[in-house]
Amino acid sequence: GAVVSQHPSRVICKSGTSVKIECRSLDFQATTMFWYRQFPKQSLMLMATSNEGSKATYEQGVEKDKFLINHASLTLSTLTVTSAHPEDSSFYICSASWAANTGELFFGEGSRLTVL
Amino acid sequence: TQLLEQSPQFLSIQEGENLTVYCNSSSVFSSLQWYRQEPGEGPVLLVTVVTGGEVKKLKRLTFQFGDARKDSSLHITAAQPGDTGLYLCAGAGTTDSWGKFQFGAGTQVVVTP
Repeated sequence: GAVVSQHPSRVICKSGTSVKIECRSLDFQATTMFWYRQFPKQSLMLMATSNEGSKATYEQGVEKDKFLINHASLTLSTLTVTSAHPEDSSFYICSASWAANTGELFFGEGSRLTVL
Repeated sequence: TQLLEQSPQFLSIQEGENLTVYCNSSSVFSSLQWYRQEPGEGPVLLVTVVTGGEVKKLKRLTFQFGDARKDSSLHITAAQPGDTGLYLCAGAGTTDSWGKFQFGAGTQVVVTP
């Protein structure tokens, strides 16, 4: 299967700082990437859909100015948590897909964000 | 947004026993997927079902998609400790954009030796 890589896998930051998480498709061109947030022992909550070269589409209740998403190329999407606060601490996961595939999503390993 | 309900939320069984996890919705899905996720990792796709009434088998795992494409089940035969994990179902609505899936709340399965 296709490989999606996230970086960093773990990040600890101080409250008020911004953190960038990268999501890369290593062996395919991802026309669409999705960003999710997951709380402990809970399911994935879709935050936004990111299409290469266009603005991300955010799900209801997700602050677009808080969670900046950039999909500048077919292999890279970034999520920036701006002015992070402790309540932003979570497991963030990306997935990627391409138009011609069968609908399978390929997930990154996830990034654990801890805001002190 | 379609709501996917998974049941049970938690399941603890002994090795060798069978188990079934359910995923239900009032909405029709164009496709439905099952994933297994281990702590600190991303979900891994187990199967995709597309056709109403479809049954897929993957070794000891049997997946079924309801005739109306509103529900699905995952049955594990003779569970093993390696089957432990969070099982997630994810559905793509008929009007959703490509690849956009909504996830169920998940079923935590624990198989003890």
